[in-house]
Amino acid sequence: QVQLQESGPGLVKPSETLSLSCTVSGGSIRGYYWSWIRQSPGKQMEWIGYFTSTGTTNYDPSYYNPSLKSRVRISVDTSKNEISLQLSSVAAADTAVYYCARKTIASAIFDIWGQGTMVTVSS
Amino acid sequence: DIQMTQSPSILSASVGDRVTITCRASQSLINWLAWYQQKPGKAPKLLIYETSALESGVPSRFSGSGSGTEFTLTISSLQPEDFATYHCQQYNSYPWTFGQGTKVEIK
Repeated sequence: QVQLQESGPGLVKPSETLSLSCTVSGGSIRGYYWSWIRQSPGKQMEWIGYFTSTGTTNYDPSYYNPSLKSRVRISVDTSKNEISLQLSSVAAADTAVYYCARKTIASAIFDIWGQGTMVTVSS
Repeated sequence: DIQMTQSPSILSASVGDRVTITCRASQSLINWLAWYQQKPGKAPKLLIYETSALESGVPSRFSGSGSGTEFTLTISSLQPEDFATYHCQQYNSYPWTFGQGTKVEIK
């Protein structure tokens, strides 16, 4: 079955760019919608954005939470079956567990999730 | 943004108990609400979508109901593997938002 595994540095300095990867195994990235969601300590989960991977790279759109849109970029590398997240100009408020998840095509629910990776923003 | 409020935040219950968790939205969701189960260190799991539709493989002791701004998740007879945190999520409008979670713990 399809499994997702997040990876990346656990510690990022303030003002730097957070970069995470999510490897998809047991299935293809193509034809699905891939999302990032985070949960800061003591807070509810926050949807970050999603990327549609239709296989036509030039026209694959992405959609982001307006609260993060100016700092976020989500991309997909179909050759590696990998989804990436970049969040720029991070601050302590960006400390969270970051999850990648597959969004269903028909609606905005997340049917497969990774276990998450903790990222701390600190100098 | 639509604000999602779950109650209670923590629920103490025993095996066999009937458990109900409530999720309230700041605006009408029609029926675009999902529930997830999360265990420590594990990937969240989709339980219910469209208010009451059970995801494939989810036991029938889980059920969802509601409409508009008030929704409930019910576990008819709590099992040992059900002790976890439960999150609601609205997908009626952007940005999609989650409740703060309800932890179901052993009494």
